[in-house]
Amino acid sequence: DQQVKQNSPSLSVQEGRISILNCDYTNSMFDYFLWYKKYPAEGPTFLISISSIKDKNEDGRFTVFLNKSAKHLSLHIVPSQPGDSAVYFCAASVSQGNLIFGKGTKLSVKP
Amino acid sequence: GAGVSQSPSNKVTEKGKDVELRCDPISGHTALYWYRQSLGQGLEFLIYFQGNSAPDKSGLPSDRFSAERTGGSVSTLTIQRTQQEDSAVYLCASSLYSSGNTIYFGEGSWLTVV
Repeated sequence: DQQVKQNSPSLSVQEGRISILNCDYTNSMFDYFLWYKKYPAEGPTFLISISSIKDKNEDGRFTVFLNKSAKHLSLHIVPSQPGDSAVYFCAASVSQGNLIFGKGTKLSVKP
Repeated sequence: GAGVSQSPSNKVTEKGKDVELRCDPISGHTALYWYRQSLGQGLEFLIYFQGNSAPDKSGLPSDRFSAERTGGSVSTLTIQRTQQEDSAVYLCASSLYSSGNTIYFGEGSWLTVV
């Protein structure tokens, strides 16, 4: 039973436009959410996080939105750049628990 | 070191052999995680250590898999009697505290069972 779901395995966006990556979760006890980016043959790198007490967190071109009632979060990248092409993983955790990852969404930003 | 260090970076082993994968977390990090990613799959949780607490082993796929963390620092993931389906990249991560803190990944150990 997947607790963290990324239903889109891939997304293609034109350079300069907005990329929106979605993530749904089932466990209402999750209180911390993160996005990681992974390039081929490298370990995942942290991108941005949000605590359950917030509904938005912004860092430069990256914004994460959390809708607790819908158990949904999204990552917005604007403007998208070719270097953003990677696999993006959504992750969630319960206090004092491990981090559960989604299966990832492969983002391709076309020049 | 500055980051999470994993060794070996690549390992090719014959089916049925045992393998050990090592993780050296960031100094001072109390939480350590093992994940694996099989070809075309997401990040699968394996095991989690937090300080002196009993590890969360709920993600280990079979009793052929085990892990230990000595002295609260270095961890070793052992896979006994390897099978071809064990082929994956094994990722270690560490964090200062569990939940609410970012976890930092190593580069991974690429295991191929032939």
